[in-house]
Amino acid sequence: QKEVEQNSGPLSVPEGAIASLNCTYSDRVSQSFFWYRQYSGKSPELIMSIYSNGDKEDGRFTAQLNKASQYVSLLIRDSQPSDSATYLCAVNRGAGGGADGLTFGKGTHLIIQP
Amino acid sequence: DAGVIQSPRHEVTEMGQEVTLRCKPISGHDYLFWYRQTMMRGLELLIYFNNNVPIDDSGMPEDRFSAKMPNASFSTLKIQPSEPRDSAVYFCASSDPGQGTYEQYFGPGTRLTVT
Repeated sequence: QKEVEQNSGPLSVPEGAIASLNCTYSDRVSQSFFWYRQYSGKSPELIMSIYSNGDKEDGRFTAQLNKASQYVSLLIRDSQPSDSATYLCAVNRGAGGGADGLTFGKGTHLIIQP
Repeated sequence: DAGVIQSPRHEVTEMGQEVTLRCKPISGHDYLFWYRQTMMRGLELLIYFNNNVPIDDSGMPEDRFSAKMPNASFSTLKIQPSEPRDSAVYFCASSDPGQGTYEQYFGPGTRLTVT
């Protein structure tokens, strides 16, 4: 059973601080990793993708991947109240690189305190 | 550009009735995915298509569920007969791996309630 594990939270972070979200996955052949943000009652919104070991930055967001440790994380700098949402970690299911469906974690509920 | 379009947005039906959910992927995307989200199980892949052909339906829970993609711009997910445990939010997503990435974009979802 391929699994993606996340701490469900809630994770409470003061406004302006760095929020750190973590995810581990079980399938070593996974090649594509994604972070989605989901507001209550809405659909998942893609915020970051990462395919290689190391860091990838996009605005206030940084995704980090360590395939040896089977670990992927998301950092949100200068957290804003509008960042309060559930963050879903997703990993491709097989050796297809990502064109084969995603396995999602249950999500981490992030709360940014004004 | 229009995103993934799903209809209906909400569906309430009685146990035993047939339910059909519809999806229009982003134009040019040749992969289409159906997911289901519940509080207990989270977001789960049901089936996906490549160029209108079903590739993996191992996530379809039972024979009551079926999906088709008659052309590149339309897919349906049918449940017959429906049961209360089918109540969930059903999402359709699409992607275009030909661009070198595998990013999937989700539609707004259909919230299904079976009473």
